[in-house]
Amino acid sequence: EVQLVESGGGLVQPGGSLRLSCAASGFTFSSYWMSWVRQAPGKGLEWVANIKEDGSQKYYVDSVKGRFTISRDNAKNSLYLQMNSLRAEDTAVYYCARAGMAARGYWYFDLWGRGTLVTVSS
Amino acid sequence: DIQMTQSPSSLSASVGDTVTITCRASQSISRYLNWYQQKPGKAPKLLIYGSYSLQSGVPSRFSGSESGTDFTLTISSLQPEDFATYYCQQTYSTVWTFGRGTKVEIK
Repeated sequence: EVQLVESGGGLVQPGGSLRLSCAASGFTFSSYWMSWVRQAPGKGLEWVANIKEDGSQKYYVDSVKGRFTISRDNAKNSLYLQMNSLRAEDTAVYYCARAGMAARGYWYFDLWGRGTLVTVSS
Repeated sequence: DIQMTQSPSSLSASVGDTVTITCRASQSISRYLNWYQQKPGKAPKLLIYGSYSLQSGVPSRFSGSESGTDFTLTISSLQPEDFATYYCQQTYSTVWTFGRGTKVEIK
């Protein structure tokens, strides 16, 4: 079955760290850009970061630059998000998403995980 | 960063109605615009990519169009399962951004 399964969420104090994981199955993980997208409680979607198939290119939303690091292990079919210096405003459900590309380079998210909740609170 | 202004933020409609949701980009994004549907407690689902290409398995009552920096999602003959929140997303730049969402509620 083609799926993404996130793990690693939980309660963390402000200033703390957390590492999220996303296990991919049912498709050739190493052939896709991958992303993290988050959604604060009752709010909209926010793209967080992208990583190229081989990990050589990474992009981040400004609000997490210098604090979050996206990485991947293609041998383990896994995507990661290391989150440091966490703030209350990082509280959200974090989704792992696969970036597909159509002809002419139109990118989109065609596969999503169920998400993992990160709560930053003292 | 490219800003996506989505409107309205919410709307009420009846089964069978035609609904239109708009997204305006702060600069040209060509056709790098996607639409997603999200139901409470669920992950988003891709509906349309490249402004008007229908994702496989998505009903044909969903359609997309574009005019310059304005993009439209149209749902024809609204069905009970279409009551949800809809988001636009641009993937033109290296920093991808979503609109704030439109909640479609039952009238």
